[in-house]
Amino acid sequence: QITLKESGPTLVKPTQTLTLTCTFSGFSLSSGGVGVGWIRQPPGKALEWLALIFWNDDKRYSPSLESRLTITKDTSKNQVVLTMTNMDPVDTATYYCAHWNYYDSSGYSAAFDYWGQGTLVTVSS
Amino acid sequence: DIQMTQSPSSLSASVGDKVTITCRASQSISSYLNWYQQKPGKAPDLLIYAASSLQSGVPSRFSGSGSGTHFTLTISSLQPEDFATYFCQQTYSTPHTFGGGTKVEIK
Repeated sequence: QITLKESGPTLVKPTQTLTLTCTFSGFSLSSGGVGVGWIRQPPGKALEWLALIFWNDDKRYSPSLESRLTITKDTSKNQVVLTMTNMDPVDTATYYCAHWNYYDSSGYSAAFDYWGQGTLVTVSS
Repeated sequence: DIQMTQSPSSLSASVGDKVTITCRASQSISSYLNWYQQKPGKAPDLLIYAASSLQSGVPSRFSGSGSGTHFTLTISSLQPEDFATYFCQQTYSTPHTFGGGTKVEIK
């Protein structure tokens, strides 16, 4: 059974750096064809794709946020960490991590099939 | 980035109704399109992947179709538990952008 859980601060001040940890079980990030992604959702708004890390340590970022984001993995701890620098009140959102699953060998047929419960991060002084 | 546009942004329907939600991509994404359902205060759940493949455990009243730039999610007979917000997502190229969402409300 695959589970994921996000952890980190619920409140950060503007200009600070946010560090979120996704701790997962039921799969290994050293296994081929696996990834973990981060998605956020401001209150009452749509989902926003942030970053994705693959089993082979390939990393992809949202171009609009790439300069502020870093995604890393610790395979031994079954964790993925997302850092976001220079936080602003507009970054207030629920942050989700999710398991990325490939459905065929093309690399395009894939989806987030398991999600964490999400963690609300508020940016305020 | 590929822009994903959903319509309508909200709709009201009754139990038993057939509901259709549309998602359009700003460029062709072949069939690399997913649909998610999200209930208030919960994480999204995957319903459909690759435009028309039903995720394991999802009721058969949900179906997806389309390719290229035009996609639809259909609920054949709306059930009380289907009142939620639905999002599409393209996986053709990163960032794997989501649509703005369609909220399905009780009429």
